[in-house]
Amino acid sequence: EVQLVQSGAAVTRPGEFLKISCEALGYSFAKYWIGWVRQMPGEGLEWMGVIYPGDSFTTYNPSFEGQVTISADRSTNTASLQWTSPKASDSAMYYCIRQEGLKLGAFDLWGQGTLVTVSS
Amino acid sequence: DIQMTQSPSALSASVGDRVTITCRASQTFNNYLNWYQQKPGTAPKLLIYAASNLQSGVPSRFSGSGSGTEFTLTITSLQPEDVATYFCQQTYSLPYTFGQGTKLEIK
Repeated sequence: EVQLVQSGAAVTRPGEFLKISCEALGYSFAKYWIGWVRQMPGEGLEWMGVIYPGDSFTTYNPSFEGQVTISADRSTNTASLQWTSPKASDSAMYYCIRQEGLKLGAFDLWGQGTLVTVSS
Repeated sequence: DIQMTQSPSALSASVGDRVTITCRASQTFNNYLNWYQQKPGTAPKLLIYAASNLQSGVPSRFSGSGSGTEFTLTITSLQPEDVATYFCQQTYSLPYTFGQGTKLEIK
């Protein structure tokens, strides 16, 4: 089955390194852009950035550039989102997505979401 | 950035009703417009891509239309399982942006 499976809920303290992951199953990982979308509690959807695992080219939403790092590991078919110094305001639900070029870039596959809580 | 504005923000309709949600863009673009459905407590799901193409597995009561700066999502006969928040999105230019969402409820 084609799916994206995300790591479980994450709880961390402000300033402590945090990394969440997304495993791609059932399709050729290297051939599709994969990225992340943030949803704050009770709010809408914000595109954070995407990476092309074939060559690791990455592009970010300027609102998130410098705040997070997106990476991809072709040996494990896993994309990751990391913070070196998360803040309480980073507490949100994070979804990984697959972008389908043949559908004009639509996000045709979504992970189940990872809830991130940053609290002292 | 391209701003996407949906209307209405919330909508209540009866089972069997025809429902229309509108999405307006701050600048014109081709049909790089997508619609997503998010049911409570779940991840969003792609409904319509490229303005009018039905994603595989999505019921045919959903349809999309529009061009330029105005796009619509139509549900021809509302069903109880359609209770959700609907988002439009442009993938024409970076950064990709979403509308604020339309919350659809059953009367």
